[in-house]
Amino acid sequence: ETGVTQSPTHLIKTRGQQVTLRCSSQSGHNTVSWYQQALGQGPQFIFQYYREEENGRGNFPPRFSGLQFPNYSSELNVNALELDDSALYLCASSQQGLAEAFFGQGTRLTVV
Amino acid sequence: KQEVTQIPAALSVPEGENLVLNCSFTDSAIYNLQWFRQDPGKGLTSLLLIQSSQREQTSGRLNASLDKSSGRSTLYIAASQPGDSATYLCASTTQGGSEKLVFGKGTKLTVNP
Repeated sequence: ETGVTQSPTHLIKTRGQQVTLRCSSQSGHNTVSWYQQALGQGPQFIFQYYREEENGRGNFPPRFSGLQFPNYSSELNVNALELDDSALYLCASSQQGLAEAFFGQGTRLTVV
Repeated sequence: KQEVTQIPAALSVPEGENLVLNCSFTDSAIYNLQWFRQDPGKGLTSLLLIQSSQREQTSGRLNASLDKSSGRSTLYIAASQPGDSATYLCASTTQGGSEKLVFGKGTKLTVNP
């Protein structure tokens, strides 16, 4: 059984650019959630995908968007990057209807 | 809106000490509460999950309790070790299934040899 994997591990982008982060969910899981964690803070919910459709969204602007693929892997896209988007982005997978979420190692995004 | 608070923000203890980390939440209608460990710059490792119908869960030296009526959960770590040094986060869900997790800011634990 493979765990949750995220790529890339680290990324540096320039303000105004666009970025795509990727997540492979744990085997058997059909739900992927994305979180943003600023330094010294707890993770904040961005959105969740279940069966390829958005299933809940946090307080993030539309320039944060996502996709889920038939194999349940997922992408997080951020357009028009701002300096405040610098954070650790975490992906969590779970099985809808069950409670426990499992996280990947995260992608550290730095916007300069 | 669910809010989760963790006290203290940081804790330093000598090796071997038993300790308790606290987590409080404002909405008692939670579905479950999950404790995580996070090493610096890393992802989250799930430690314990307590469903709303349960009062506690145990794994090795860790014991987590849940009191919905008072809006509190505690994580008890027995016989602490330097390898336990990390940030501990609690998170709740207030809807069924895999709905969003609402996190506290965490407690940074340092266990000194």
